[in-house]
Amino acid sequence: SQTIHQWPATLVQPVGSPLSLECTVEGTSNPNLYWYRQAAGRGLQLLFYSVGIGQISSEVPQNLSASRPQDRQFILSSKKLLLSDSGFYLCAWSYQREAGELFFGEGSRLTVL
Amino acid sequence: AQTVTQSQPEMSVQEAETVTLSCTYDTSENNYYLFWYKQPPSRQMILVIRQEAYKQQNATENRFSVNFQKAAKSFSLKISDSQLGDTAMYFCAFMKHEDGNKLVFGAGTILRVKS
Repeated sequence: SQTIHQWPATLVQPVGSPLSLECTVEGTSNPNLYWYRQAAGRGLQLLFYSVGIGQISSEVPQNLSASRPQDRQFILSSKKLLLSDSGFYLCAWSYQREAGELFFGEGSRLTVL
Repeated sequence: AQTVTQSQPEMSVQEAETVTLSCTYDTSENNYYLFWYKQPPSRQMILVIRQEAYKQQNATENRFSVNFQKAAKSFSLKISDSQLGDTAMYFCAFMKHEDGNKLVFGAGTILRVKS
């Protein structure tokens, strides 16, 4: 069966520090991968999605970047965090074929102080 | 750009009762999909139900059903015989046809089922 894991689950970082959130998928190959941010009262906002290794599309301009160094690994990064980067980050995967079903990770709570 | 609106930030329902969560969306597309996702407290978000816009018949999944009104751009979720385990944040989501499974989510509705 397929599984998705992301870590760390909770992170408290000072403003200006770097960030690295990792997500891995097991049990499938060539998945589409996604990073969403969930803000209170604003739902989920798609940040990045990837259809293959090294192929990253950004949906919104921001202080964050994403990379996909391996087929089932997706990394969310920042060189210098801002207060506004605080939030709940969700990684998700889907099959390449269109189905609309996303499979979400457990989420990472980031607090920037 | 597509938008999804959930006008009910919070709802509550008694166990075994029926509750309806509202969702409206705005799009100029004719082919698209609509979804309801459930995010239980401290647990992973999962798909509850899916509707293809070209299908007139409303989707159902056990106790969960939708009322899809394409002309009105409305997509409500009905939960029958509510259970304590239905307590969660519910998100309505939209996806254009052939758009790489990129979903646009609403702000969510917190549903509390009371015993």
